[in-house]
Amino acid sequence: DGGITQSPKYLFRKEGQNVTLSCEQNLNHDAMYWYRQDPGQGLRLIYYSQIVNDFQKGDIAEGYSVSREKKESFPLTVTSAQKNPTAFYLCASSTDSLNQPQHFGDGTRLSIL
Amino acid sequence: AQKVTQAQTEISVVEKEDVTLDCVYETRDTTYYLFWYKQPPSGELVFLIRRNSFDEQNEISGRYSWNFQKSTSSFNFTITASQVVDSAVYFCAPNSNSGYALNFGKGTSLLVTP
Repeated sequence: DGGITQSPKYLFRKEGQNVTLSCEQNLNHDAMYWYRQDPGQGLRLIYYSQIVNDFQKGDIAEGYSVSREKKESFPLTVTSAQKNPTAFYLCASSTDSLNQPQHFGDGTRLSIL
Repeated sequence: AQKVTQAQTEISVVEKEDVTLDCVYETRDTTYYLFWYKQPPSGELVFLIRRNSFDEQNEISGRYSWNFQKSTSSFNFTITASQVVDSAVYFCAPNSNSGYALNFGKGTSLLVTP
């Protein structure tokens, strides 16, 4: 079935450690996105990519990095510079059209050890 | 600046009641799309319904209906004959200035009890 796969489902980070969250899609979508969700809050945009080898910062990009080497993959690295990384991270993809909905993965919960 | 407001933080209804979720989107843009998503306790976001800014005709899709009032920038989403499985957080999300990314409201938590 077509969809978006995020892994792992749960992730723990030690102080000073970088961790990478995986996001893969087989929907042939050009655009991919990373959002962060804190308890009781809406989603905030971290990074997005509308085409391979290109990506843009969202509203809360500090302490995060991404790459887009393949159309299917958009991994997110949470660096040690992100001082409050505990959150629920959601990856999404869409066609390059304003009227099409985004499709979301099941999310990754990141916690600090 | 764009602002998405979901003023209702939590709503509790008894099964079979109708429930309306409010969303106000303040923007200078005249053309945009607004999406409603549902987030059940399991965490994934499920797309429910889409609405554009240039058509005020109300729409119905199954138990969901959609009311847009341009004068107040108000997009109201109604669930008819609510069911326990409708219990979730509902997000209103218009297009943002960041390409095709979405600008999410803070969500309304709906609890439907038997």
